[in-house]
Amino acid sequence: DVKVTQSSRYLVKRTGEKVFLECVQDMDHENMFWYRQDPGLGLRLIYFSYDVKMKEKGDIPEGYSVSREKKERFSLILESASTNQTSMYLCASTPAGRAYYEQYFGPGTRLTVT
Amino acid sequence: GESVGLHLPTLSVQEGDNSIINCAYSNSASDYFIWYKQESGKGPQFIIDIRSNMDKRQGQRVTVLLNKTVKHLSLQIAATQPGDSAVYFCAEKLTGGGNKLTFGTGTQLKVEL
Repeated sequence: DVKVTQSSRYLVKRTGEKVFLECVQDMDHENMFWYRQDPGLGLRLIYFSYDVKMKEKGDIPEGYSVSREKKERFSLILESASTNQTSMYLCASTPAGRAYYEQYFGPGTRLTVT
Repeated sequence: GESVGLHLPTLSVQEGDNSIINCAYSNSASDYFIWYKQESGKGPQFIIDIRSNMDKRQGQRVTVLLNKTVKHLSLQIAATQPGDSAVYFCAEKLTGGGNKLTFGTGTQLKVEL
């Protein structure tokens, strides 16, 4: 089975802190994605990557950056956390050659910024 | 603006009954529609997709119906089981939209024993 793991299930950070959310997949997938999930809004794409060192902005990239130095790892960075970034963050991956929406999701990280 | 929404936030069904979860969309330029299941404490899981040139697609115990005339999508689950309890949400992929999807907000399905 494909496994997508996220470094933390719950995280509490202070406003202004730099926050790193890590995602690792074990199936050699080329494509990786970061979403945030908020009540009443559905999933929104922050960034995605289709290869090592490659990244593309999603719908809401402001306030975020990403890093993909190795194929299996995709990191989401909040340069200066703000309260409006309190959310559930979901990482996902898909292999090349499959429909990109057939995504394997991690369990999510619930981030609270105080 | 573009939107993908759901008619009902919560749906309760008896175990063994069929479930129907609905989704409305407003963008006619979508080439695929997708259903996901999200169990409590877990990430979403892809269930099934349907191409826009199809009206119906069947999977294992699930059927997707697409009515382009009224821009309506539904997910039917046969013989609903306790393990089907989850949030279900639809998504649409815009034609030529790259790697971006528009997601609905979800319907909570509760299976009563």
